[in-house]
Amino acid sequence: DAGVTQSPTHLIKTRGQQVTLRCSPKSGHDTVSWYQQALGQGPQFIFQYYEEEERQRGNFPDRFSGHQFPNYSSELNVNALLLGDSALYLCASRWSEAVYGYTFGSGTRLTVV
Amino acid sequence: GQSLEQPSEVTAVEGAIVQINCTYQTSGFYGLSWYQQHDGGAPTFLSYNALDGLEETGRFSSFLSRSDSYGYLLLQELQMKDSASYFCAVRDRGGKSTFGDGTTLTVKP
Repeated sequence: DAGVTQSPTHLIKTRGQQVTLRCSPKSGHDTVSWYQQALGQGPQFIFQYYEEEERQRGNFPDRFSGHQFPNYSSELNVNALLLGDSALYLCASRWSEAVYGYTFGSGTRLTVV
Repeated sequence: GQSLEQPSEVTAVEGAIVQINCTYQTSGFYGLSWYQQHDGGAPTFLSYNALDGLEETGRFSSFLSRSDSYGYLLLQELQMKDSASYFCAVRDRGGKSTFGDGTTLTVKP
């Protein structure tokens, strides 16, 4: 049973460009969250999707947007990239009825130059 | 808002016991989770406490005191493979988890 899969694993973009990161949740999971993890820091919550709607959002600008598809997979879009957006982007999924225990993917390492 | 504090680094020897503390300030507390992350890897869920007390899962145990806004992760019979970063995370009612900055555990022979 595959866990959470993310693509691509690594990405290099130029400042000002746009990027789309993709996530397939673990089988049976319907809730997807996205996190940004800078080097040496803990994951920072970006937003959470359930039933194709954004349910919660962290302190990130509108340049960060997302989408969830009917098959529960999700995308994270970042517009007008800044150097400070360079980080590991993690996708985490869980079953909505579960109280705890997100399953994380291995992330997408985004470098903005 | 929410904030969490945990030590940045802990060092211990193989076979020993180590405790990683976590204090938090939060609104809408629902539970405290612990995750392990090896370099370059995905965070892996270890344990969750919603009520006061100790939860034991093999060599790992986690404790919560809601009145003190405090929890800890206890690792027993340390192994070299336990060298990793450990994060505490507060979960709110909506499911959002706020993570601490992590504790780097180094296990020495």
